[in-house]
Amino acid sequence: EKVMTQSPATLSVSPGERATLSCRASQSVSSHLAWYQQKPGQAPRLLIYGASTRAAGIPDRFSGSGSGTDFTLTISSLQSEDFAVYYCQQYNKRPETFGQGTKVEVK
Amino acid sequence: EVQLVESGGDLVQPGRSLRLSCTTSGFNFGDYALSWVRQAPGKGLEWVAFMTSFLYGGTTEYAASVQGRFTISRDDAKRIVYLQMDSLNTEDTAIYYCARYRCTGYYCYEEYWGQGTLVTVSS
Repeated sequence: EKVMTQSPATLSVSPGERATLSCRASQSVSSHLAWYQQKPGQAPRLLIYGASTRAAGIPDRFSGSGSGTDFTLTISSLQSEDFAVYYCQQYNKRPETFGQGTKVEVK
Repeated sequence: EVQLVESGGDLVQPGRSLRLSCTTSGFNFGDYALSWVRQAPGKGLEWVAFMTSFLYGGTTEYAASVQGRFTISRDDAKRIVYLQMDSLNTEDTAIYYCARYRCTGYYCYEEYWGQGTLVTVSS
């Protein structure tokens, strides 16, 4: 199975600042990489698929990049509603696997 | 509006069985693959099971941790996807989410999620 590793585990950012989250795959997943946002007590929400395509209704301050084994989620200017846990997921080969998550918290 | 609503979560003893249901609306159910993903308390996401539409044979796949114990199925007439869970153990304690996939050929990711149902396995 392909192991996904996210860094950092926790990211402390001030509102309005930029946040950069990383995700690394143990083997190439091509561009079959998704990002999800999860707030406490809520289900995950799809942000990005195909490594860089925003899902419907996702603000353009969220952007994804990368291919192969190294991926990045960037939030250009953090809003209060963006403080949450973010997961990457590879769907190149089943079992689909998730990273352990990056918590974005208020600095 | 796409909606998925899970039910059936409960407190059960180790070794017992439980069946989860996910009732859906807002999309053409028969066209879509579906999955179950779980999240242990305070932990990350773990994919559990997958089922294609019957258009693609109703193929199922499972995580190694549940293979042989869990069964995913679907009733297209009722628009419901099920997860039959047998031989439960304490490591199965989690919130269980159902999700609708969006697929491009083999490649599928979870586009819509339900709110989850809690399964607690404890004596």
